[in-house]
Amino acid sequence: AQSVTQLGSHVSVSEGALVLLRCNYSSSVPPYLFWYVQYPNQGLQLLLKYTSAATLVKGINGFEAEFKKSETSFHLTKPSAHMSDAAEYFCAVKGGTNAGKSTFGDGTTLTVKP
Amino acid sequence: DVKVTQSSRYLVKRTGEKVFLECVQDMDHENMFWYRQDPGLGLRLIYFSYDVKMKEKGDIPEGYSVSREKKERFSLILESASTNQTSMYLCASSLSGLAENSDTQYFGPGTRLTVL
Repeated sequence: AQSVTQLGSHVSVSEGALVLLRCNYSSSVPPYLFWYVQYPNQGLQLLLKYTSAATLVKGINGFEAEFKKSETSFHLTKPSAHMSDAAEYFCAVKGGTNAGKSTFGDGTTLTVKP
Repeated sequence: DVKVTQSSRYLVKRTGEKVFLECVQDMDHENMFWYRQDPGLGLRLIYFSYDVKMKEKGDIPEGYSVSREKKERFSLILESASTNQTSMYLCASSLSGLAENSDTQYFGPGTRLTVL
């Protein structure tokens, strides 16, 4: 079985401030982990993914995430928020026993204040 | 680039109608998925298909069926639409096996369905 918990359904930051979106996972096998972003009225697109290589993963638009096995976490960060980062972010996990299927978290809406 | 298209962005139907949502992908992906997205509930998997004519129930299949007659097309069917099926429906596709990026899902823009 696999599951994902995103802590905080809404996060608000000021432009230029650090962005931290939290994700904890549960998986009975070594997981693949993903962050997707959804801009208003669009589908989801991949931001970054962890697939058992480097634990610090860099993605698009300056985002990165660190896989911490001891904490079962995969938090998403960006040093300096931009207005264009306002969107909904989803963490997802895929374990080897559920070939092809990922389990998504409930999502975190990021608001960026000027 | 992978392109996943959905037949409608917005759809309004009446209770009891039969509804077809179509999804087409152009990258020869084996896996295709249908999700519904509701506020505070994230994405919930309705059905997925790992090959032509093959399907597997997801987490919330009740009230839905699917059809995959061709590799590039995956249809979601609401046999008798109900108001609690008002939602955003997202289609996705992915490669299978050990190919690079086989684990990444590519999403369509979504269909916002309203059932009156």
